[in-house]
Amino acid sequence: RKEVEQDPGPFNVPEGATVAFNCTYSNSASQSFFWYRQDCRKEPKLLMSVYSSGNEDGRFTAQLNRASQYISLLIRDSKLSDSATYLCVVNDAGKSTFGDGTTLTVKP
Amino acid sequence: NAGVTQTPKFQVLKTGQSMTLQCAQDMNHEYMSWYRQDPGMGLRLIHYSVGAGITDQGEVPNGYNVSRSTTEDFPLRLLSAAPSQTSVYFCASSYSPPYAGGYGYTFGSGTRLTVV
Repeated sequence: RKEVEQDPGPFNVPEGATVAFNCTYSNSASQSFFWYRQDCRKEPKLLMSVYSSGNEDGRFTAQLNRASQYISLLIRDSKLSDSATYLCVVNDAGKSTFGDGTTLTVKP
Repeated sequence: NAGVTQTPKFQVLKTGQSMTLQCAQDMNHEYMSWYRQDPGMGLRLIHYSVGAGITDQGEVPNGYNVSRSTTEDFPLRLLSAAPSQTSVYFCASSYSPPYAGGYGYTFGSGTRLTVV
């Protein structure tokens, strides 16, 4: 079993839809969590940190559930420009572990 | 404000050749790292450094060397290229290491390496 697992998708949604991705992790001692966005043939870019209390940045909401060991990313009112691969990252005392990514395609 | 600069962007090597991938950052980040990204395997850590003069191995270090003589530069050397090293390589930096908490990474634009 991988330390960090994401549903690879792809998720194909129409513009304006709400879509949610989950990312599960196995190390209960994990300390910090992030979501990155990666466009095709580009580098990953930090989208947002994930805080225990949940956090929101415009149309994006990230949440952490320590009891069930998963983080989530909710995108509301999807735009064409949201099409990308979304990577979760879980940090523990020693390292960062990346998920394999979830691919989102937003269609007109 | 360049961020993280990687060179070259593309490279083709023959099996057995050596080369150095360059990485430089201008954000005064202490933590720098090299990842490789392969289809279906996500990003895997090769080597990392928590400051000048300090380096350590990541998940997949075999066949690669690094050094950190300055805060800004963190080159990755392929000693004797093999087809299994065909991949996309990313350099990433951060204000602090993962175990120090809540700072994300800034990635370079990547090097696409093909070994034939």
